[in-house]
Amino acid sequence: ETGVTQTPRHLVMGMTNKKSLKCEQHLGHNAMYWYKQSAKKPLELMFVYSLEERVENNSVPSRFSPECPNSSHLFLHLHTLQPEDSALYLCASSQDYRAGWGSYEQYFGPGTRLTVT
Amino acid sequence: KNQVEQSPQSLIILEGKNCTLQCNYTVSPFSNLRWYKQDTGRGPVSLTIMTFSENTKSNGRYTATLDADTKQSSLHITASQLSDSASYICVVSYNAGNNRKLIWGLGTSLAVNP
Repeated sequence: ETGVTQTPRHLVMGMTNKKSLKCEQHLGHNAMYWYKQSAKKPLELMFVYSLEERVENNSVPSRFSPECPNSSHLFLHLHTLQPEDSALYLCASSQDYRAGWGSYEQYFGPGTRLTVT
Repeated sequence: KNQVEQSPQSLIILEGKNCTLQCNYTVSPFSNLRWYKQDTGRGPVSLTIMTFSENTKSNGRYTATLDADTKQSSLHITASQLSDSASYICVVSYNAGNNRKLIWGLGTSLAVNP
């Protein structure tokens, strides 16, 4: 295990539902990330938090709303999603964020497999 | 345009055989290159990281090479095992102003059969 946990592991939701994904890291890291992984596409960075402050928002639709209450926990709140939002959502953490999110190795959780019906 | 291309897209080999996966990139200015292994239903796990000055780096049965002149990297797996069945993703880091960002490849799906 990498020290990053995600719940739930699987989620099926209708387009009118509201749900939340949770991520927790036990590595003492300062930066946390949300990624979307769809079939036939490379990983897409969604959000980056550094010391609980959002530092990157990669043009993500407002139906995805991140929350970082402390440096160990990260949430992704979902509402009125579309079928094309079905994907594997990965959370990651890194030691720090200074000089950009490509500077430090990222440790990934197992992901949440989301299906929007 | 910054891009990372991996080949082959998928590969099937017999247990015990060797294989080589390729990564070509057009990312500039280059910072470093990582190879990740992603098991089905799991998150990626780092195998190696290579900087501009490194040509070869090994991690057990995994050996990565980097040719910064031709902008190519390879991942060689020796004496494959069933547990090597996974997706292998090449990730290149580049400098964008004062920030360092990542470009992810699509990955090579490797199946090791008994």
